[in-house]
This record gives sequence, structure tokens and C-alpha cells, in this order.
Amino acid sequence: SQKIEQNSEALNIQEGKTATLTCNYTNYSPAYLQWYRQDPGRGPVFLLLIRENEKEKRKERLKVTFDTTLKQSLFHITASQPADSATYLCALYNNAGNMLTFGGGTRLMVKP
Amino acid sequence: EAQVTQNPRYLITVTGKKLTVTCSQNMNHEYMSWYRQDPGLGLRQIYYSMNVEVTDKGDVPEGYKVSRKEKRNFPLILESPSPNQTSLYFCASSLGGGAWETQYFGPGTRLLVL
Repeated sequence: SQKIEQNSEALNIQEGKTATLTCNYTNYSPAYLQWYRQDPGRGPVFLLLIRENEKEKRKERLKVTFDTTLKQSLFHITASQPADSATYLCALYNNAGNMLTFGGGTRLMVKP
Repeated sequence: EAQVTQNPRYLITVTGKKLTVTCSQNMNHEYMSWYRQDPGLGLRQIYYSMNVEVTDKGDVPEGYKVSRKEKRNFPLILESPSPNQTSLYFCASSLGGGAWETQYFGPGTRLLVL
């Protein structure tokens, strides 16, 4: 069956450090992978999309990598700030391309 | 302002009493969907719609109905709610149904079924 796995344990880091979150998937052949941010009680907000032929994508302090051989995406936040504290979700479309499925998310806590 | 709106934001009801959660978007998006989010289970898709009068089941459609009579609206109907439908519900929309499309989420509806 298709699975998207993110570390369910919260990631605690110190302000200024780089946070690295992992998204692993099985039985998907994604052409695209998306990352979203979700704050408690609010809807997810789109952050970045990466294509299968892109190894890396950046947006300000965010960087996403996509390794289709390892079936893994890494999401990095450099120079992290307490305002970056949130849950980060990766998402893939199913192989039929009509339904977006989310991983369980990883909660990031950045301490001052 | 481009947005997805949901109403109500909070709802407490009793088992078996039909309810409707409305969803509306003002971005002329073709694709709309409903998710529920539960602790430990994450976001799971209930139904989606590729366009007007085109709807299909997601991962957890049991106990729910939807309709898409107009492009902007995609209501979620619970004909006979049960306590296991207590959850946080999100409506989302995107320009099209492609895998490259950004999903725009509503603010959520917190439902408690007693």
C-alpha cells in the first residue's frame, strides 16, 4: 500500500540552527512533492513544491531536496526562529494523479 | 482577498441530526476537496471534486456526502452524524487537479458529535 512517513516525534532545536525534517514514501511514483506548514487549529499553508527532475529547491531560508531513488525528501530551515515553530507536512499525489495525500507531519519547536 | 471560507467554524451536535458544513472559494478554482484531521491519523481526504457535477471518493468517504452544483461551493453533508465523526474538518481548493497545483485550505470546522 502507499505510505508517506514523517517522524512523528517533535523536533526541538535552538534558535539559529538548521532544522531538517524527513519525508519518506513507498509505492508512489511522484512527479511532484509538496511541503506545507500547519499551525495549531489552522489549515495547512503551502510552502514549496519540487519536481522529480529537481534535486533541490530553495525559497528564502527554506530548502527542499527530492531523491526519487531513496524515495525521500528533506526539508531544511536555516537560521531557524521561534516563529518557525509549527507542524510541517509533506504531500504527494497518488499514482492516478487525482488525490493528494499528506504525511502525518513533524512538529518543529524552535527555542529562543 | 483570495480565500476559502467554511461555516460554521465550530459545531456541537447530537447523533443522527443531519448537518451541513459549507465551503466556498472566490478564486475560480476547479478542484475542491474535504479533509478530516484526527490526532495520530493526520489529514485524510474525504471527497474531492474535479469540477462542477464531478465528485469522487477519497480515503474515508463513509458517512459523508458532497455536492458540487456551482464552481465556488462544495458543501459537506453528514446525513446521520455519529461520535466517530467528531473531528477537525478542512476544505481545500486548487486551480486544477494536477499534481503541481497548490492547495489552498480553509480555516477549519471543529465538529463535536455527542
